[in-house]
Amino acid sequence: QKEVEQNSGPLSVPEGAIASLNCTYSDRGSQSFFWYRQYSGKSPELIMSIYSNGDKEDGRFTAQLNKASQYVSLLIRDSQPSDSATYLCAVNTGFQKLVFGTGTRLLVSP
Amino acid sequence: DTGVSQNPRHKITKRGQNVTFRCDPISEHNRLYWYRQTLGQGPEFLTYFQNEAQLEKSRLLSDRFSAERPKGSFSTLEIQRTEQGDSAMYLCASSLGLAGESGVETQYFGPGTRLLVL
Repeated sequence: QKEVEQNSGPLSVPEGAIASLNCTYSDRGSQSFFWYRQYSGKSPELIMSIYSNGDKEDGRFTAQLNKASQYVSLLIRDSQPSDSATYLCAVNTGFQKLVFGTGTRLLVSP
Repeated sequence: DTGVSQNPRHKITKRGQNVTFRCDPISEHNRLYWYRQTLGQGPEFLTYFQNEAQLEKSRLLSDRFSAERPKGSFSTLEIQRTEQGDSAMYLCASSLGLAGESGVETQYFGPGTRLLVL
């Protein structure tokens, strides 16, 4: 079992819709969770971080964490074509390294 | 405000050559990380420093890989006797040692160095 799992996609949504990206992790001791956005050929860019159960909102983005289910999600409201990218879920297990999933490719069509 | 910088941005080398990459972290950050990313995969942790001390290096891919951060500021990653399988994006990230206001230690990535070994 991979430490961090994501559906590779692509996830296709029309402009203006809600995109829902999901991630599961295996280490119950994981302490903090991150969503990074990565455009093709570029480096990861931080979108959201979360470490408490529940929802955290920042603009059009909402991160959701459920530690009992070992599940993290990212909702993107009012999706724009510029949101088209690969979204990486990353988990800090407490040993000062991030463990990444393989990423979900999001395509937002005009 | 300058972010993490990496040089060179691209490197093409022949198999068997040595290469060295440099990373300059965000100025107040005392932790520095190296990751490797291959096509279609997420970044893979290699090593990290707190100030000048290398606290985790077990994930360095082989003894051909080494990293230094001699004065606790910039860091270098060296790959000796490169192989075609070393072709990848090498990413550097930095963070504050303390969790900061949000209670979460966040790593910020540089633009990466793309290595191609022929």
